[in-house]
Amino acid sequence: AQSVSQHNHHVILSEAASLELGCNYSYGGTVNLFWYVQYPGQHLQLLLKYFSGDPLVKGIKGFEAEFIKSKFSFNLRKPSVQWSDTAEYFCAVRGIYNNNDMRFGAGTRLTVKP
Amino acid sequence: SQTIHQWPATLVQPVGSPLSLECTVEGTSNPNLYWYRQAAGRGLQLLFYSVGIGQISSEVPQNLSASRPQDRQFILSSKKLLLSDSGFYLCAWSPPSTTGNYGYTFGSGTRLTVV
Repeated sequence: AQSVSQHNHHVILSEAASLELGCNYSYGGTVNLFWYVQYPGQHLQLLLKYFSGDPLVKGIKGFEAEFIKSKFSFNLRKPSVQWSDTAEYFCAVRGIYNNNDMRFGAGTRLTVKP
Repeated sequence: SQTIHQWPATLVQPVGSPLSLECTVEGTSNPNLYWYRQAAGRGLQLLFYSVGIGQISSEVPQNLSASRPQDRQFILSSKKLLLSDSGFYLCAWSPPSTTGNYGYTFGSGTRLTVV
């Protein structure tokens, strides 16, 4: 079964700092990859996703992620964070032939100081 | 448009009491439905999923069960709660396909505290 590892449990940044959250997965096949975000008191929301094609995918709110197949990684980046980016971020992976088995990482809590 | 509803939002239950959490989806037919549990520092754990009425797949053996009595209704239950059942429970849905470029849409969750 697939698994997902997120390297950082809690990241604290100042506004305008650059962000990179690590995500590595383990799966013996072709995958779909996702980043979800959970703002305080809100639903878990899809931030961006990779299915195929360009390995650099852009999501909402200026976030992007790069799929590096050789490294089994899908790191999330943002050039300049804002206070409103304070949230918990989850990486997820799913085999392309199994829509019913999406696995999530433990999450990374991002705190942005104004 | 599709919407997903979960209730209650918070629940405090004594050990040994029964549990019933409900999730309903509107605006779509024959969705795939999921129950996840979110524990602090452990991410989201898939508990059950369903691809149709009466069809339940369990991912983790435990004190919980799930049922799907109607197409767009998914229920998480327990006959006797344990302290370890405390957590944040999330329902999600995805379009009715075993493959495809779909993510999941999550409900607002239920915070369960077993005391």
